[in-house]
Formats: sequence, structure tokens, C-alpha cells
Amino acid sequence: DAMVIQNPRYQVTQFGKPVTLSCSQTLNHNVMYWYQQKSSQAPKLLFHYYDKDFNNEADTPDNFQSRRPNTSFCFLDIRSPGLGDAAMYLCATSRGLGVETQYFGPGTRLLVL
Amino acid sequence: GQQVMQIPQYQHVQEGEDFTTYCNSSTTLSNIQWYKQRPGGHPVFLIQLVKSGEVKKQKRLTFQFGEAKKNSSLHITATQTTDVGTYFCAVNTGNQFYFGTGTSLTVIP
Repeated sequence: DAMVIQNPRYQVTQFGKPVTLSCSQTLNHNVMYWYQQKSSQAPKLLFHYYDKDFNNEADTPDNFQSRRPNTSFCFLDIRSPGLGDAAMYLCATSRGLGVETQYFGPGTRLLVL
Repeated sequence: GQQVMQIPQYQHVQEGEDFTTYCNSSTTLSNIQWYKQRPGGHPVFLIQLVKSGEVKKQKRLTFQFGEAKKNSSLHITATQTTDVGTYFCAVNTGNQFYFGTGTSLTVIP
């Protein structure tokens, strides 16, 4: 049973063309996270939502935005993708903050042409 | 920001050999989590350690949290080809969540 779902699994966009990645969860978790993972690197946290409270990592570029319209869904908007934004984008959820397990979705691989 | 280093970065072992990855922090950690990411897959939670000196086992995997809570290790006994992947330690402070640099394990049949 899928618990954290990401669509699409692969996304191709053009340089500078806005793109939205989506994530949904069936766990009813309070926290949703977005990570960027480049090849052979660790996932890097971009931001997270605790319920409706948005928390941006200090070094996340302004080019990256997020929306969480309800508990189940969270979106990652890249306003003007550059070649350096090509990566795997992982969504994760956890019941709460602190010492909590994170459950990851399968990821969306973004290609920027 | 805080960094958690893992060594080695890469490890190739013959099937049946043991494997250990180490996670080191310059600051005291409140907890440590371990995740496994298969090639082409996503991170999957393995275990969480909270107490100083804590040791936990999952079948062939042994996890340890250092007495000073600044380091942790994951040891796999008698590796199998299914153990292939990248092993990440991770720290969750409540306000921050960050992964270690990872150790990529290759198991040669």
C-alpha cells in the first residue's frame, strides 16, 4: 500500500519554465518535507511543513517554493528551473517533529533541458 | 551548519565479508537515525538510537551509539547482495533534519 506518493516519477522541463512536483500521503502525518538529492550526494532538506506552518532552510534558494493546501498534499514549485536544479526530489512525512521516523516517497527525477 | 561525516565514502566487499560504516559529529547529538537507500530507490528508515552507548541489532545489522553521543556505527555481518546500497546516518533535532554524507556499499558475488 502506497503511503507517500509522488507524481510524476520523471519530469522534463525547459530552462526557465516553471514546474510543479506533487506529493500526497495516506499516513495523516503532520509533517511533510521536501528534499533535493543530486547524484552520489545525500538528500538535502529544502523545507518542511508542520501542519500549515512553513519552515524554510536558510540556504534554500528563493527559486523554490512550496504549498500545502491540506494535510494530504504538498507541492514543490520551481519558478525558473536552471540546469543546476536537475536532481531527484524526495518528499517525506513524519508524525511529528523531533525523534520521529521519516517515510519517503519514491521521488521525482527532474531533468532540465 | 552542522555536518555529520561518514566513512568510508565507498566500500566494496566480497559477499560474506563484514562491513562497517562510521558516522562522526563534532557536536553532541540528541539522537541518530540510520537509513538505507538502494540504487535508484529512496531512503528507508532502519533504526533510531537515543541513549548513550546504545546498541541495537536487526538480524545481521548491529547499530551502536557512542558513549559521548558524537558518533555511531552500523556493522553488517556476512554481507549479502541484498545489502547493496547507500547507508546514511541522519540527525533529527526537531528544528533541523540532516543526513550524513553516506557510505555506498557494493557487494561482489
